[in-house]
Amino acid sequence: GQNIDQPTEMTATEGAIVQINCTYQTSGFNGLFWYQQHAGEAPTFLSYNVLDGLEEKGRFSSFLSRSKGYSYLLLKELQMKDSASYLCAVRDYGDGGATNKLIFGTGTLLAVQP
Amino acid sequence: GAVVSQHPSWVICKSGTSVKIECRSLDFQATTMFWYRQFPKQSLMLMATSNEGSKATYEQGVEKDKFLINHASLTLSTLTVTSAHPEDSSFYICSASKDHILAGGTGELFFGEGSRLTVL
Repeated sequence: GQNIDQPTEMTATEGAIVQINCTYQTSGFNGLFWYQQHAGEAPTFLSYNVLDGLEEKGRFSSFLSRSKGYSYLLLKELQMKDSASYLCAVRDYGDGGATNKLIFGTGTLLAVQP
Repeated sequence: GAVVSQHPSWVICKSGTSVKIECRSLDFQATTMFWYRQFPKQSLMLMATSNEGSKATYEQGVEKDKFLINHASLTLSTLTVTSAHPEDSSFYICSASKDHILAGGTGELFFGEGSRLTVL
């Protein structure tokens, strides 16, 4: 089966750093994505990890440990506009890896306070 | 990036009617598109994989006769909610990948704007 877990909600202060964790158990693994979604809008791509380690992209970084089935998204210098849902998604290659089917986690609603 | 457009953005219909939602990749060809459904304050649930020129692949628990998917061209997939009922009210989002993982790409999905369906 497939199971992707994230905390439901988090609160952080403007200017601070926040880490959003994601743990997964899937039948196959071929990459992990993080997406940001503002209320009523479509998700937008933030980061992609397929090998262990840290990927940095401006204020956002994402880490992956395949052996632990664990990833985190790190947001630095938080801004009010970062208030959104953050979705962890795993590509599961149940059909041999030919498709890019993503299975999404429960999502974490981040509230940034002044 | 790549652009995926969805239409309509929102639709209100009466119970028992059918509603069609279009998903277009505007600046790239997509042999595969994905349809997701999202309930308020919940994550995206994959409904089906739309394959150009062949039948869609539905996820477990999704009724294929209820949610008809047609992928007639490399830039267009449609989702038709047949005989809609209030419980079908939801946010439907399509997505497509610009590059294929077998070709060395990340397979990043680009999402349409979403279509909010309300069935009265």
